[in-house]
Order: sequence, then C-alpha cells, then structure tokens
Amino acid sequence: GAVVSQHPSWVICKSGTSVKIECRSLDFQATTMFWYRQFPKQSLMLMATSNEGSKATYEQGVEKDKFLINHASLTLSTLTVTSAHPEDSSFYICSARDLGTSGPNEQFFGPGTRLTVL
Amino acid sequence: DAKTTQPTSMDCAEGRAANLPCNHSTISGNEYVYWYRQIHSQGPQYIIHGLKNNETNEMASLIITEDRKSSTLILPHATLRDTAVYYCIVRNQAGTALIFGKGTTLSVSS
Repeated sequence: GAVVSQHPSWVICKSGTSVKIECRSLDFQATTMFWYRQFPKQSLMLMATSNEGSKATYEQGVEKDKFLINHASLTLSTLTVTSAHPEDSSFYICSARDLGTSGPNEQFFGPGTRLTVL
Repeated sequence: DAKTTQPTSMDCAEGRAANLPCNHSTISGNEYVYWYRQIHSQGPQYIIHGLKNNETNEMASLIITEDRKSSTLILPHATLRDTAVYYCIVRNQAGTALIFGKGTTLSVSS
C-alpha cells in the first residue's frame, strides 16, 4: 500500500525557534498533501491543503505566516512552524493524495510528528 | 460534507465482535462513508469505505442501512490491539480533505 513518512517523528525546541517538518510520499506521487494538527485528547484538525507548485490553502484561523507550507515536488511537502511557542506544541500529521489512484480511497496518512516547545 | 454522529466511547471484550455505529442522516447520494482509526500517538489508519453496499475486507465489515442514514463498522473478533479511536467520515468528493469528528474510543479488554 501507499506509504507516507514524516520526519522527524518528534522534536523538542526552544520558544522562538523555527521547526521544519517533512512529509514524503514514498511510493507514489502526490499532487495534494494535507496538514493536520491534533491537541491532546482532541480530534485531528485540518490546517491546510497544499498543491504541488502552488500556494497552500489555509483553513480559517490558521496563520499562514506562522505555519509555512512548501510543496515543491510531487513527493515532498514541508511544514515550518516559525517562532514556535509553547501553545504550538501539538501532534502534526500529514496526508497525501495518490495521483495514480482513481477510486474514492486515495488519501494516506503519515505517522505524525510530536512537537514540544519549551 | 454530511455530519456524522458517533458514541463517545464503547467497551468490548477480547474475542467478541465490536459493533461501532455511526449516524449520517444528512448524507447525500454521492457521498461515501469512510472509517479510519487512530491508535494512540500514531497517524490515522484506513479501515474501510462504502457507498451503498455492505463491504468487507481483512480488517472489518461495513454495514450501511438501505436509506444510507446510518452505518455500522464491525470488527468480528476484537483484540487488545484494536483499542483505538474510530472515526466515521462522510465525504462527497475525492481529492478534498477528510474532516474528522470526535470519533468513538473503543476499549478492548481481556
């Protein structure tokens, strides 16, 4: 099956620093990738949709200047949390849409990245 | 996309069938029902999806009522490793993001 990886799996950083999270589709091409955030004991919340070669579309309430998304290739999207603060501590999950799948089940999820900001 | 309603939590004994209900009374004709689960601190895992007919795969069965207003996910022989949050999602268009509700926390005990 389609595999999506994330790197790093966990990261601890100091307040004010920036952190980059990578999302890769390992065995398929993904024109569209999605970024979610999940706080403890809550559900996944969609942050943004990124399309290869174009600007990401952010959900209401998500600051695009704080959460920079780059989708430069069909297999890689990055999320950069700029000037991170403790309230940004969360579990960040990406998913990718398989370009080669024609059916309705085409979105595959990464394992997530745990960000802790001290 | 149609909204779904699921019980907050359910318990199941190991080895027994786990039946997880989902209500999607406002579902429209072209919307699929998806089920995902999330084991603690992991990414969501696809289980099964369907449109009208009942579906079965190696993980579970999906029973959709004739009027499509509700569905049930069946794990035929639950194990401790099936303890997770189960999400029922309705989506009408491939390519759009899956939107997660609160899901059902299934606890399987020995």
